[in-house]
Amino acid sequence: DTGVSQNPRHKITKRGQNVTFRCDPISEHNRLYWYRQTLGQGPEFLTYFQNEAQLEKSRLLSDRFSAERPKGSFSTLEIQRTEQGDSAMYLCASTSDTRRKLFFGSGTQLSVL
Amino acid sequence: QQQVKQSPQSLIVQKGGISIINCAYENTAFDYFPWYQQFPGKGPALLIAIRPDVSEKKEGRFTISFNKSAKQFSLHIMDSQPGDSATYFCAARRGFKTIFGAGTRLFVKA
Repeated sequence: DTGVSQNPRHKITKRGQNVTFRCDPISEHNRLYWYRQTLGQGPEFLTYFQNEAQLEKSRLLSDRFSAERPKGSFSTLEIQRTEQGDSAMYLCASTSDTRRKLFFGSGTQLSVL
Repeated sequence: QQQVKQSPQSLIVQKGGISIINCAYENTAFDYFPWYQQFPGKGPALLIAIRPDVSEKKEGRFTISFNKSAKQFSLHIMDSQPGDSATYFCAARRGFKTIFGAGTRLFVKA
């Protein structure tokens, strides 16, 4: 396993700006997850993909958030019109149908000023 | 979505001691219960996991005890070491979705 790669590692933006994060999963993994983690809390489920299909999206996720996984490979998470409450660590994880274990990337730390 | 409740929030243990972290869940449809370990600046990494048809699983110094009737499970770290200092998350999985507890910050004093 070469590991899950996330870019950028850190992002500082001003309120109201749009930001986009990228996740490159482990190559043979067909399932990809996005989680959000705030300080002192566990990862909170945002959405997940099976191949290129987005199968579930958290009801907590506002319309400002959108995720894509074109061709079932890398994924992007976009946040439009960022708010200070969006400041968090955004984690990506991947796995395959035959495995229960989630492999996490190191995350993208977003700070909205 | 607090379907997995974890305690304590923080824990300080002497080197060589036993660290115990507890979790409780509500949804009986969960079918896999992993524990993840997270170091600062890193994503969580799977430590050990158990299925609900097993009451105990041991891997090295780490043991999960599972009580299906009480809907509770716990992580025991034997002979705790300073290198075990990290945040630990219990989790529960239903289908392909994993829900995490709020985490326990463990500090092992040398």
